[in-house]
Amino acid sequence: KQEVTQIPAALSVPEGENLVLNCSFTDSAIYNLQWFRQDPGKGLTSLLLIQSSQREQTSGRLNASLDKSSGRSTLYIAASQPGDSATYLCASPAGQGGKLIFGQGTELSVKP
Amino acid sequence: DAGVIQSPRHEVTEMGQEVTLRCKPISGHNSLFWYRQTMMRGLELLIYFNNNVPIDDSGMPEDRFSAKMPNASFSTLKIQPSEPRDSAVYFCASSFYGGNSPLHFGNGTRLTVT
Repeated sequence: KQEVTQIPAALSVPEGENLVLNCSFTDSAIYNLQWFRQDPGKGLTSLLLIQSSQREQTSGRLNASLDKSSGRSTLYIAASQPGDSATYLCASPAGQGGKLIFGQGTELSVKP
Repeated sequence: DAGVIQSPRHEVTEMGQEVTLRCKPISGHNSLFWYRQTMMRGLELLIYFNNNVPIDDSGMPEDRFSAKMPNASFSTLKIQPSEPRDSAVYFCASSFYGGNSPLHFGNGTRLTVT
């Protein structure tokens, strides 16, 4: 059974700092790993999807990596901005059907 | 594209009342998911459909919960009768079938049962 864990639960950094968010999963036979952002009172927005055959994906200041052997994924945010403040969640499918298992999320606060 | 559309945005009801939440997925998506989010339990998958057919409803907490997808552009989640512990934010999400495409979420329905 796939389990997804995110540590820490909350993170506060000064503006401009580079930071890394961590995601761990128990079943290395994953199809993909997705990273989402959730703003207060909103739904989740898909940021990056890494296929199992890939090691990383980049979008602007975001870079997500995937290491299946160690059961880990990281989301790197470069030159953080106050607008990056949100909760970031990672998720992995439980099998082929599309059922996603979510981590509890990391609440990021970027201070001006 | 308007994205996944959920209604209502907020619902306040009294214990024992029937609640119906609605969802319109993104046109062309053939997988639809209902999630519930609470502070204590995070995001929980309640049920999901592929091509309008329920595939996995193991997350539906009790028989009081039911979901339907009569066509590719509409789904409902019904709670009857509602209880205070059902208070949560309910999200609908859609994607292309197979789990290898990004999942798109609606803005959710915040349900409060008093």
